[in-house]
This record gives sequence, structure tokens and C-alpha cells, in this order.
Amino acid sequence: GENVEQHPSTLSVQEGDSAVIKCTYSDSASNYFPWYKQELGKGPQLIIDIRSNVGEKKDQRIAVTLNKTAKHFSLHITETQPEDSAVYFCAASRGRADTNAGKSTFGDGTTLTVKP
Amino acid sequence: KAGVTQTPRYLIKTRGQQVTLSCSPISGHRSVSWYQQTPGQGLQFLFEYFSETQRNKGNFPGRFSGRQFSNSRSEMNVSTLELGDSALYLCASSLVPGQQAFFGQGTRLTVV
Repeated sequence: GENVEQHPSTLSVQEGDSAVIKCTYSDSASNYFPWYKQELGKGPQLIIDIRSNVGEKKDQRIAVTLNKTAKHFSLHITETQPEDSAVYFCAASRGRADTNAGKSTFGDGTTLTVKP
Repeated sequence: KAGVTQTPRYLIKTRGQQVTLSCSPISGHRSVSWYQQTPGQGLQFLFEYFSETQRNKGNFPGRFSGRQFSNSRSEMNVSTLELGDSALYLCASSLVPGQQAFFGQGTRLTVV
């Protein structure tokens, strides 16, 4: 089955710096890659996603890049703020037409701490 | 627009008991997936329902079951609870499988 590896497990940055979290996946049929932010006591919140027909996607301070050949995708957060501190998860799943489309495999999470 | 609603938020049960958790998806969403989140195992896929049919099931024992109703609301049931079933159970809904999925706050189950 699909395996998703996420690095690093913890990341500490100064406010205003950039943060990068990387994931690799094993299933070459995966083509949907969402990122979630989870704050203490809450469920994961979808922050950005990318499909395999796109190499990069940006939303204000957040961007995701995908290298389908290498089976890598990364989350980039620029100008980090203390409120960005949370656990971030990457995930991978197959496309809408696939019978496994609703089954996501998650990375183990990255605890991001942004120091004021 | 209301988000995904999971009830109850917290549960304490004794070993051997059974429990039922509920998930109301975002209005219009017909796909519901369930995940178990623990510190040691991370987010593990339990099962996925679409139009009242279970489409996928994760690697969990038969004590874990679920269903989806005609209004897309879903329930999951765990029978003969074990200490290791203590976890945060999360439900996510999407319009159809493979679309953006939105999670609820989860149900924190503690088995004592």
C-alpha cells in the first residue's frame, strides 16, 4: 500500500523566517496531495492542496511544490508568524476516478514552532 | 456553512464495552471517511463511505464497523473495546471521493 514519509518531525524557526516541510510517497498512482494544519484540541484543517497535473501552487504565504518523477512534494511557508505554530501533515491519495480515491495516507506530522 | 460535526466530543468507556460515534458532514457532501489518530501511529485510515456504501476499509479488526445513512450522516461503532482503542477519532467529508476533504473536531475516546 501507499507509504508517506514526512521530514522533519520537528522544526523551529524565528518569526519572519521561512519553513519547509518535505514528504515523499511510494504509490505512483497517487495524484492528489493535500496539506493539513492541526492545532491543539482541533481537527486537521486543510490549508493547501495540489494535483499531479500542476507543479506548484501558491496561496498568500503558503506554497506547495510537487515533483512527480521523484515522488516528492513540499510545503513552503514564508514570513512565518507565531500563529503558524502547529502540527502539519501531508497526505497522498489517488484521483477522483479511482476506487481508492477517498482513502488518504498521511505522513507522521511536523511540529512547527515559530519563536517571536 | 456549518462544518463537519462530530458527537460526542469526549467519551470514557470501560474495556469490553461498545461505543458509537457520529459524524454529520458538510451539507451537500456525500463522502465520509474515518481516521484514528494516536501519538504512536499517527492518522490511520479506518473506512470510507459514499452514497451509503463502504468503498474502502483500512487495516483494522472487525470490531470496527461503520455505516452511512441516506442523509450522508455516518456512524462508526467499536465493539469489545480495548485499552489500545483510546484515540482521537476523526471524520472527514468531501463532495465526492477524491475531492477536498474537511475534518471535524474529532471524538476523544478513552478506554479505561
